[in-house]
Amino acid sequence: DQQVKQNSPSLSVQEGRISILNCDYTNSMFDYFLWYKKYPAEGPTFLISISSIKDKNEDGRFTVFLNKSAKHLSLHIVPSQPGDSAVYFCAASTRNSGNTPLVFGKGTRLSVIA
Amino acid sequence: DAGVTQSPTHLIKTRGQHVTLRCSPISGHKSVSWYQQVLGQGPQFIFQYYEKEERGRGNFPDRFSARQFPNYSSELNVNALLLGDSALYLCASSLDPINYGYTFGSGTRLTVV
Repeated sequence: DQQVKQNSPSLSVQEGRISILNCDYTNSMFDYFLWYKKYPAEGPTFLISISSIKDKNEDGRFTVFLNKSAKHLSLHIVPSQPGDSAVYFCAASTRNSGNTPLVFGKGTRLSVIA
Repeated sequence: DAGVTQSPTHLIKTRGQHVTLRCSPISGHKSVSWYQQVLGQGPQFIFQYYEKEERGRGNFPDRFSARQFPNYSSELNVNALLLGDSALYLCASSLDPINYGYTFGSGTRLTVV
C-alpha cells in the first residue's frame, strides 16, 4: 500500500523549458512534504519542502505547489538545466503528530536535454 | 566540513551471513536514521535513533537491528542475510528527531549472493 505515489517513472524536458514533477498521497494525516534529488552513487539531497498550512513555496528555480483537497503536490523547475538531470523523490511526514519518518515515493527520473 | 559518512561503500555477502554497516553523522547532529532503497523504489524507513535511544522502527523483520554510540555514530546490523536484502542502505542525520533537515550519506551498496 503506497502512501506516496509518483506515477511518472521518467520525464524528458528540453533545456530552458519548465519541468513539472507530480506526486500524490493517500494519507490525509501527512502535513509536511519534501522533495529530494538523487544523482547516481550519491545520497538524496534535500531540495525544497512545504508545510500543509501553505499551498506554495519557492526557492530560486524550484517551486512546490500543494493541493490538499486533491492530495497532490508538484515540483516546478524553471528554467530546466542539464545539471537538473537526476531522480527526484517526493516524501511526506506527519510532523505535527509527533515525529514520524519520511515516506518516499518511487521517484521520477528527469532528463534535461541540451 | 564532513557530511554524513558511511562505510563500507560496497560489499558482497553470502546468504545466511551477517553484515554490519556504519554511519558517522554530521558533527553536532544527534539523530541518525537508516533507510533501505531497493532498485526502482524510494527509500524505506528502517530505524531512527536519537541520543542513543531508538525513536522509531519501520516494518522490517527482527533480523535488522541498530544502535547509536555515545559519539552519535551508528551501526545497522542484519543477520541471516537473504537475497532480498540486496539494496542501497542510506544513513541520514539531523539535529534532532523533529528537525527534518535530514542530510543523507552516499549509502552502502549491499549485494547478497
